[in-house]
Amino acid sequence: GAGVSQSPRYKVAKRGQDVALRCDPISGHVSLFWYQQALGQGPEFLTYFQNEAQLDKSGLPSDRFFAERPEGSVSTLKIQRTQQEDSAVYLCASSLPGRGWGYTFGSGTRLTVV
Amino acid sequence: KNEVEQSPQNLTAQEGEFITINCSYSVGISALHWLQQHPGGGIVSLFMLSSGKKKHGRLIATINIQEKHSSLHITASHPRDSAVYICAVSPNYGGATNKLIFGTGTLLAVQP
Repeated sequence: GAGVSQSPRYKVAKRGQDVALRCDPISGHVSLFWYQQALGQGPEFLTYFQNEAQLDKSGLPSDRFFAERPEGSVSTLKIQRTQQEDSAVYLCASSLPGRGWGYTFGSGTRLTVV
Repeated sequence: KNEVEQSPQNLTAQEGEFITINCSYSVGISALHWLQQHPGGGIVSLFMLSSGKKKHGRLIATINIQEKHSSLHITASHPRDSAVYICAVSPNYGGATNKLIFGTGTLLAVQP
């Protein structure tokens, strides 16, 4: 596609519910990132994929967070047993590999846990 | 202390004014990014720079690597420039992960 597509755009979950957030990156973009942005804050790194390999998951806040990219394109961020502190905008970004390329961000998924 | 600091946090300007947003960072970097985020919207990349100066339309970005400082300037500001402007850096550490470290953003409101 022309840009990074994220779905759903908004998600309201009851505390304890599992959620799955989808990211469809730009075709050919090898690198894929997930970031979490709390209200009024800058985004914070969650995890990074190069193709299907999850090379860095150091930013995942707990073992309730899980991300996958099985075929090296679409990625899913799953949050199990959601808690109120998980409420945030979850941003996906994709890039060509290496440090010389810019990023394209999706519009994000706003998750509200009630 | 955050690795990326921005100032000011909030900025209100009148249409036509020249605007400057500052970013300081404390880590070694391979690149610095200026990004724009509209309320409820995604993030748009404005500039990626590792030295000197870049210009795109009414936007100018400069970076001083020795001083670890960057500025984003907007000339002839317009209400449609109202948004959050975010500075982010690609740190030299982190191995193969080219992750970004973000500042907290500057909320700009340009009044007509």
